[in-house]
Amino acid sequence: KAGVTQTPRYLIKTRGQQVTLSCSPISGHRSVSWYQQTPGQGLQFLFEYFSETQRNKGNFPGRFSGRQFSNSRSEMNVSTLELGDSALYLCASSSRWAGTTEAFFGQGTRLTVV
Amino acid sequence: EDQVTQSPEALRLQEGESSSLNCSYTVSGLRGLFWYRQDPGKGPEFLFTLYSAGEEKEKERLKATLTKKESFLHITAPKPEDSATYLCAVSLSLGAQKLVFGQGTRLTINP
Repeated sequence: KAGVTQTPRYLIKTRGQQVTLSCSPISGHRSVSWYQQTPGQGLQFLFEYFSETQRNKGNFPGRFSGRQFSNSRSEMNVSTLELGDSALYLCASSSRWAGTTEAFFGQGTRLTVV
Repeated sequence: EDQVTQSPEALRLQEGESSSLNCSYTVSGLRGLFWYRQDPGKGPEFLFTLYSAGEEKEKERLKATLTKKESFLHITAPKPEDSATYLCAVSLSLGAQKLVFGQGTRLTINP
């Protein structure tokens, strides 16, 4: 069974640009969450999507947005990039709506803003 | 404020030297506690989920336990390949995957 796939693995962008990251969840999983990981702040929740609807949102500015498609694939977009947006962006998928269940992570996209 | 604290920040052990990692939490309404392992440059790898105080789970050299205020990850007779950062996270919402993570414990096992 294929795991969570994130593309691209690495990105270098310039301040002020925008970027789109992609996540394909495990087959059959309908919930996708996004996290930002930095050395200073650790892993922080960005948002979660289920059946194309955003269910939860973390404390990030509106420059961070996302969406989910009917096949459960998800994208996140960061507009007007800042140097502080440099981080490892992780996507996690899980299988159930009701009840707490395990979240499986992809390998991440390493974004560097210069 | 919901908070997850892991200790120690870093731990060096000799191969075969058993120890425990701690994860303490102050949250309103724990729905689940998760342990993950993360290798450099990779995404976290799921290890365990614990739901209620007194619950224990084991996998190879690892054993996770849960009380009302903390969780322990016991590592028995570790090997160099157990070297990684171990992350603890809690879920606060039923039916959601909004995880609150601790800062992690960086474990190094010397041969």
